[in-house]
Amino acid sequence: EPEVTQTPSHQVTQMGQEVILRCVPISNHLYFYWYRQILGQKVEFLVSFYNNEISEKSEIFDDQFSVERPDGSNFTLKIRSTKLEDSAMYFCASSQDDEKLFFGSGTQLSVL
Amino acid sequence: QKEVEQNSGPLSVPEGAIASLNCTYSDRGSQSFFWYRQYSGKSPELIMSIYSNGDKEDGRFTAQLNKASQYVSLLIRDSQPSDSATYLCAVYNYGQNFVFGPGTRLSVLP
Repeated sequence: EPEVTQTPSHQVTQMGQEVILRCVPISNHLYFYWYRQILGQKVEFLVSFYNNEISEKSEIFDDQFSVERPDGSNFTLKIRSTKLEDSAMYFCASSQDDEKLFFGSGTQLSVL
Repeated sequence: QKEVEQNSGPLSVPEGAIASLNCTYSDRGSQSFFWYRQYSGKSPELIMSIYSNGDKEDGRFTAQLNKASQYVSLLIRDSQPSDSATYLCAVYNYGQNFVFGPGTRLSVLP
């Protein structure tokens, strides 16, 4: 069964460093998302991406964040200068028809 | 601000019983409704979707939607210990994004 894959599964970084989280969505999906979940809290929307551009972003998705689809398969989230409060599980998700999200297994980001 | 509300739980039910999970949402324009299951430390897994008023059954799961009351529920029949997880309600409005509730933690006791 096709699945969304994310790498790395864990990322530890120092405050102020840049990190890139990588995702390979399901191949025939057209809509891509990043969500995050701080430990013990709810899944929060960051950004959605369709047709090679951002379709919507939340207040969380400030200038420190960017997304890119550098080729036909990868979808990346970059955090330019990480803060302690960026520590969370980051989930990539994709959907074929802008409904029924399928999630990757997540990247646990720890900012020290 | 679009909100999705759920009781945080924990909801404890004995094995074999029916577990009932509830969700309310604020955006009347919401069109699609989903239930996800999330085991601790894992990603959300889609278990049910519902788009129109009424009931939708899939195996031991039944989703119920009442748009007038802005209410979605999930019933799990014959609950098993493996059903113990956090259940997330998600609501979608076309052209916008999916909004998740905080989740209800379900514990099925053997």
